[in-house]
Amino acid sequence: GEDVEQSLFLSVREGDSSVINCTYTDSSSTYLYWYKQEPGAGLQLLTYIFSNMDMKQDQRLTVLLNKKDKHLSLRIADTQTGDSAIYFCAEQTGGYQKVTFGTGTKLQVIP
Amino acid sequence: GAVVSQHPSRVICKSGTSVKIECRSLDFQATTMFWYRQFPKQSLMLMATSNEGSKATYEQGVEKDKFLINHASLTLSTLTVTSAHPEDSSFYICSAYRRTLTSYNEQFFGPGTRLTVL
Repeated sequence: GEDVEQSLFLSVREGDSSVINCTYTDSSSTYLYWYKQEPGAGLQLLTYIFSNMDMKQDQRLTVLLNKKDKHLSLRIADTQTGDSAIYFCAEQTGGYQKVTFGTGTKLQVIP
Repeated sequence: GAVVSQHPSRVICKSGTSVKIECRSLDFQATTMFWYRQFPKQSLMLMATSNEGSKATYEQGVEKDKFLINHASLTLSTLTVTSAHPEDSSFYICSAYRRTLTSYNEQFFGPGTRLTVL
């Protein structure tokens, strides 16, 4: 079945790196995603990784995928106060449309 | 990225009334739209998949008579919460799916609608 879990909260100081972790259970995941949700707003796609990749870097964002352990992480370098938000990982399984979201991690950046 | 709008952004209604929420894809045609519900401090729960010109597919546990979905055009899907009760109070988010040449799921999310039922 599909079950995606994340820790609920992470607090970091401005300028430090943030690492948000996610575990999933469905080994047939094709794509894995990271979304950002700012207060009162919808979700914004940050990045995604195909399941046969180990790592993807996009400016300050680095995604690491350990398919054996079903573990996905998002590293944000030089975290800024504008990065404060809830971050959701999501896995795509069962075809090209259905996406299952994780529980969300609230990132608090302390100035 | 593409733009998806939702209207209204916030609505307060009395118990027993019905509320309609609109989801529009502004710059592309979306054959498929999704409706999610988000509880405080919790993840998004997929409620239903809305396909243009056909009946919506509801997830297990979601009452189809309670949450009516209509996807009458390629740019508009509506969710009507019928006979709303306080337990229906939530943040409702839609997304529109844009078909790509790969199997990558390109979903664009609306800003959400905060429903409060008194």
